[in-house]
Amino acid sequence: EPEVTQTPSHQVTQMGQEVILRCVPISNHLYFYWYRQILGQKVEFLVSFYNNEISEKSEIFDDQFSVERPDGSNFTLKIRSTKLEDSAMYFCASSEPASGPYEQYFGPGTRLTVT
Amino acid sequence: SQQGEEDPQALSIQEGENATMNCSYKTSINNLQWYRQNSGRGLVHLILIRSNEREKHSGRLRVTLDTSKKSSSLLITASRAADTASYFCATDPDNTDKLIFGTGTRLQVFP
Repeated sequence: EPEVTQTPSHQVTQMGQEVILRCVPISNHLYFYWYRQILGQKVEFLVSFYNNEISEKSEIFDDQFSVERPDGSNFTLKIRSTKLEDSAMYFCASSEPASGPYEQYFGPGTRLTVT
Repeated sequence: SQQGEEDPQALSIQEGENATMNCSYKTSINNLQWYRQNSGRGLVHLILIRSNEREKHSGRLRVTLDTSKKSSSLLITASRAADTASYFCATDPDNTDKLIFGTGTRLQVFP
């Protein structure tokens, strides 16, 4: 069964460094998302992406964050200058383009630790 | 106030018993989805119920939706130790494609 994959599974970085989290969505999906989950807290929406542009973003997704679909398979989240509070689990998700309701399929996540 | 709050926060049962988790939300929605998360792992999609549906079944799962009360319930019948996980409801409010997750119910099933 097709699945969303994410790399790396765990990333440790120093405060102020740039990180890029990578995702390979399910191949026929056209909508892509990033969410994050701070330890012990709710899963929070960061951004949605469709047709090579951001369709929606949350307050969390400030100028330090950016997303890109550099080729036909990868979807990346970049944090330009990491802060301690960026430490969290980051989940990528994708969904089909069909009209009507659709399910979002999540990857296993990347645990980001900022020291 | 938060969109998507589950209760109870934690639930412990014996194998074979049924587990019921509830979710309340605040805005109008297109759909409501339930996800499972094993400790420290990713989110696994369980079931989606549309706003015009009242009940849906999938294997041992039964989901109900009451849009007048803005609430949903997830019933797991004949629970197994492998059902031990956190369960989250997620809604997609009208005219958005983002999911808003609830706080989750931690389910512990003892063998």
